[in-house]
Amino acid sequence: GAGVSQSPRYKVAKRGQDVALRCDPISGHVSLFWYQQALGQGPEFLTYFQNEAQLDKSGLPSDRFFAERPEGSVSTLKIQRTQQEDSAVYLCASSLVGDTEAFFGQGTRLTVV
Amino acid sequence: KQEVTQIPAALSVPEGENLVLNCSFTDSAIYNLQWFRQDPGKGLTSLLLIQSSQREQTSGRLNASLDKSSGRSTLYIAASQPGDSATYLCAVPYNYGQNFVFGPGTRLSVLP
Repeated sequence: GAGVSQSPRYKVAKRGQDVALRCDPISGHVSLFWYQQALGQGPEFLTYFQNEAQLDKSGLPSDRFFAERPEGSVSTLKIQRTQQEDSAVYLCASSLVGDTEAFFGQGTRLTVV
Repeated sequence: KQEVTQIPAALSVPEGENLVLNCSFTDSAIYNLQWFRQDPGKGLTSLLLIQSSQREQTSGRLNASLDKSSGRSTLYIAASQPGDSATYLCAVPYNYGQNFVFGPGTRLSVLP
């Protein structure tokens, strides 16, 4: 595709619900990143994929967060039993390889009520 | 651990002014540095990518410089316009490109 696409753009979840956020990276991009951005702050790293391999998940805040990229293209970030502190914008980015120019999607704004 | 800071946190200027945004990083062993723009409620738009072998990169009214040895980068915006109002973030790759570390951003307001 022309750019990184994320869906949904907005998600409201009741506390305790599970949510799934989708990222379609730029076609052919090997690297895919997930970030969490709280209001007024810079993005914070969650996890990194190289093709289908999740090479770094050190930024995932708890075991309620799970990410996958089974075919090395589309990725899903799943949050189980959502809590209010999970409310944030979740950003996905892709790049040809890890340290080349990164392109970001529009983000998914998650609000947990 | 790589840490990135940005100064100032916020900046308000009248239209037409030239301005400089600053980015500092603690680990100088970087491959490149990238500047982004973020409009309210939107994702990040890549502005400029400077490779570690470069000292400057230009795109239109934007000029970014990189001094690895001192751990600094600056983004220069010439003849600012109200449409430049946004948050500007710098980021460096870390852990062999498996992670980008971001600064907290500079929130810019250009007044007509």
